Amino acid sequence: AQKVTQAQTEISVVEKEDVTLDCVYETRDTTYYLFWYKQPPSGELVFLIRRNSFDEQNEISGRYSWNFQKSTSSFNFTITASQVVDSAVYFCALRGSFSGAGSYQLTFGKGTKLSVIP
Amino acid sequence: NAGVTQTPKFQVLKTGQSMTLQCAQDMNHNSMYWYRQDPGMGLRLIYYSASEGTTDKGEVPNGYNVSRLNKREFSLRLESAAPSQTSVYFCASKPIATQETQYFGPGTRLLVL
Repeated sequence: AQKVTQAQTEISVVEKEDVTLDCVYETRDTTYYLFWYKQPPSGELVFLIRRNSFDEQNEISGRYSWNFQKSTSSFNFTITASQVVDSAVYFCALRGSFSGAGSYQLTFGKGTKLSVIP
Repeated sequence: NAGVTQTPKFQVLKTGQSMTLQCAQDMNHNSMYWYRQDPGMGLRLIYYSASEGTTDKGEVPNGYNVSRLNKREFSLRLESAAPSQTSVYFCASKPIATQETQYFGPGTRLLVL
């Protein structure tokens, strides 16, 4: 069985602060994919990043960076110099290499609500 | 490309009523999915269709049925709505390439009274 844990239910930061959103996963697959999605107040789900299990290189995209560590089964997301527009619910998700008849099902964490205060 | 579209955007039902949520994608994706999102629960998979002509149950299928009408369309039906089905429903699609992500529709907010 697969599981994704986002222990932080809600986080509040003041604008320009850095913030890290934690994601811990469990899977027995040796090949798997990890994702982060953003859900702004408007409600849509916005894809942010995909990482596969055999690529542990960290990634940076502007103010966003991701730290993937297989040794601790974590895929954490850091926003540098946060802005009000970063206020959203962020979901971490996992997909195994075989999730049932080629379904490629995603297992989501419960999400972390980030509020950036001006 | 419109991507993934869902109709309606919002619906109010009375307990026992039936309705169908529509989903369509114009990206020629093979797989399609229905999720529900409840407060504090993340997204949970209801049903999926790995390819045209196939459908399978996900994590929370009870009370729902689906139809993969063609490659573009995947509908979700509530035969007899219950208050526990009050939720936001998301449809998603995915291309055949293994590493690709799922692309989500804008969601349908359903309230069952």
